[in-house]
Amino acid sequence: AQSVAQPEDQVNVAEGNPLTVKCTYSVSGNPYLFWYVQYPNRGLQFLLKYITGDNLVKGSYGFEAEFNKSQTSFHLKKPSALVSDSALYFCAVRDLSSGSARQLTFGSGTQLTVLP
Amino acid sequence: ETGVTQTPRHLVMGMTNKKSLKCEQHLGHNAMYWYKQSAKKPLELMFVYNFKEQTENNSVPSRFSPECPNSSHLFLHLHTLQPEDSALYLCASSLSYAGAGTEAFFGQGTRLTVV
Repeated sequence: AQSVAQPEDQVNVAEGNPLTVKCTYSVSGNPYLFWYVQYPNRGLQFLLKYITGDNLVKGSYGFEAEFNKSQTSFHLKKPSALVSDSALYFCAVRDLSSGSARQLTFGSGTQLTVLP
Repeated sequence: ETGVTQTPRHLVMGMTNKKSLKCEQHLGHNAMYWYKQSAKKPLELMFVYNFKEQTENNSVPSRFSPECPNSSHLFLHLHTLQPEDSALYLCASSLSYAGAGTEAFFGQGTRLTVV
């Protein structure tokens, strides 16, 4: 079975500082990993994904994520946070080797607050 | 805008009512999904349709009934709901269901309140 853990319900960071939102995963085979962002009263928006290749993936709005196979992690990062980055962030995984592989499994979300 | 449109945005219904949620996409996607988002819980996948055929039903109670008349439209028919069914219902679509790297595009959701 596949699973995703976002260990922090809430992350606070000052504007201009680097931010990290953590994600760890568990799969039987090779993971396909995604980050989504949700602004208040909106649906989820795709940020970036890792399928294969370079471990550092760049996405929308200056976000990037680093795939670390040995630590089974896919942390979301941004060098300099903006107040407008404040939102709910979801990590998701898909594992084709699993019986329920085609389903995206989401974490419980991390609320990011960037303080001015 | 993601290209996935959900209506209505907000819905309040009594436990004996019947209502329907609508989702529409014109992205040329072949897979469509219904998710339930409750506070402090991970997103729950409810139903998946691939080329108009239902491929997944994650043990959803029969008071939720999906319908997919074509690849662009998805409905969720609701009847005799319970207060615990109050949540944000999200529709999503993706180019394919089997493609591992295919990301999903989400609508803005319908905020459902059952009274």
